[in-house]
Amino acid sequence: EPEVTQTPSHQVTQMGQEVILRCVPISNHLYFYWYRQILGQKVEFLVSFYNNEISEKSEIFDDQFSVERPDGSNFTLKIRSTKLEDSAMYFCASSEIRQSSGANVLTFGAGSRLTVL
Amino acid sequence: RKEVEQDPGPFNVPEGATVAFNCTYSNSASQSFFWYRQDCRKEPKLLMSVYSSGNEDGRFTAQLNRASQYISLLIRDSKLSDSATYLCVVNSRGSYIPTFGRGTSLIVHP
Repeated sequence: EPEVTQTPSHQVTQMGQEVILRCVPISNHLYFYWYRQILGQKVEFLVSFYNNEISEKSEIFDDQFSVERPDGSNFTLKIRSTKLEDSAMYFCASSEIRQSSGANVLTFGAGSRLTVL
Repeated sequence: RKEVEQDPGPFNVPEGATVAFNCTYSNSASQSFFWYRQDCRKEPKLLMSVYSSGNEDGRFTAQLNRASQYISLLIRDSKLSDSATYLCVVNSRGSYIPTFGRGTSLIVHP
């Protein structure tokens, strides 16, 4: 079964450092997403990406964050100058819109746990 | 008002019990609905889509009530392996951004 892969599975970083989280979406999917989940809290939308550009972003996704699709397979999330409150699980997801219903089913990667010290 | 609301639980039930969760959504333009399952420290995984006429998948039944803006998930004959958090997910018309509820925790005990 096709899957979304994410690396690293866990990253520990010092406050103020930059981190890059990597994702390989499912190859025939068109929409890519980053969500985050702070421990014990809900899954929160960060940004979506379609046709090589950001299609939507949330209030959380400020200038500290950026996304890139540097080649045909990878999809990255960069967090500049990390803060303690950036500690969370970051999930990448991709989707193939089901045209008949418009339903948008996401397949998630296993996540990258970021710990900021 | 939160977009997607769920009772966080936990729902603590014995094996074999029937348990039901509800989820309410605030956006009347919501178009598609899903239940995802999330195990502790794992990624969300699609459990089932929710269709207007209601749908069943084995022990799981999902229903949609557009008038009252809620969806439900019924689990029959609960198994220990059903212990997880169940996430209600809603897509609004014209948006490709699924919105997640906080999830309802289910604990099935022997």
